[in-house]
Amino acid sequence: GAGVSQSPSNKVTEKGKDVELRCDPISGHTALYWYRQSLGQGLEFLIYFQGNSAPDKSGLPSDRFSAERTGGSVSTLTIQRTQQEDSAVYLCASSPSPPRVGAEQYFGPGTRLTVT
Amino acid sequence: GENVEQHPSTLSVQEGDSAVIKCTYSDSASNYFPWYKQELGKGPQLIIDIRSNVGEKKDQRIAVTLNKTAKHFSLHITETQPEDSAVYFCAASRRGADGLTFGKGTHLIIQP
Repeated sequence: GAGVSQSPSNKVTEKGKDVELRCDPISGHTALYWYRQSLGQGLEFLIYFQGNSAPDKSGLPSDRFSAERTGGSVSTLTIQRTQQEDSAVYLCASSPSPPRVGAEQYFGPGTRLTVT
Repeated sequence: GENVEQHPSTLSVQEGDSAVIKCTYSDSASNYFPWYKQELGKGPQLIIDIRSNVGEKKDQRIAVTLNKTAKHFSLHITETQPEDSAVYFCAASRRGADGLTFGKGTHLIIQP
């Protein structure tokens, strides 16, 4: 079946501009996660959604980062006033319902963001 | 919070030999330990996972072992093949719904 999809696959933006990254989870998966992968920091957890709510926002690096999820499906990650240090690959993962100990997370291909 | 250490950062083995990657974690409450394989330009792919009530799990040429007392877990790949070449990440989480904490990754190179 269809896996997690993300768009765009690549995004180049100028410093100071806002960007929106999109994630379509696996159908029926109620949990959705955003991660960031960069050379210096490895894979970092950003935010997690259960349904449309985000009980854990602890990983967002600054208030320029926000995320929402509508209809328990598609999610968007928004970065305002982008900085060069925001350059990274942004990965989305989804997990099946119901949440349980050790629910598997399945990743999308990622969006490579380059801030010039 | 959780901290996951992974070794080695690079591992080169002859095709057909075995490869072992080791990880340690700091949070004794962690109870879920997945392993991911990432090929260039792609997202991480879940290859095997283990939960804290199990000491070992096998899936064909891949096995994972967990020592809760020592807080370490390992990935074992036997009869390595060229397509096993990739970056492998270990991870840990405390609850099913938490974000995963990843190790820094191991670049596995299979020499023909």
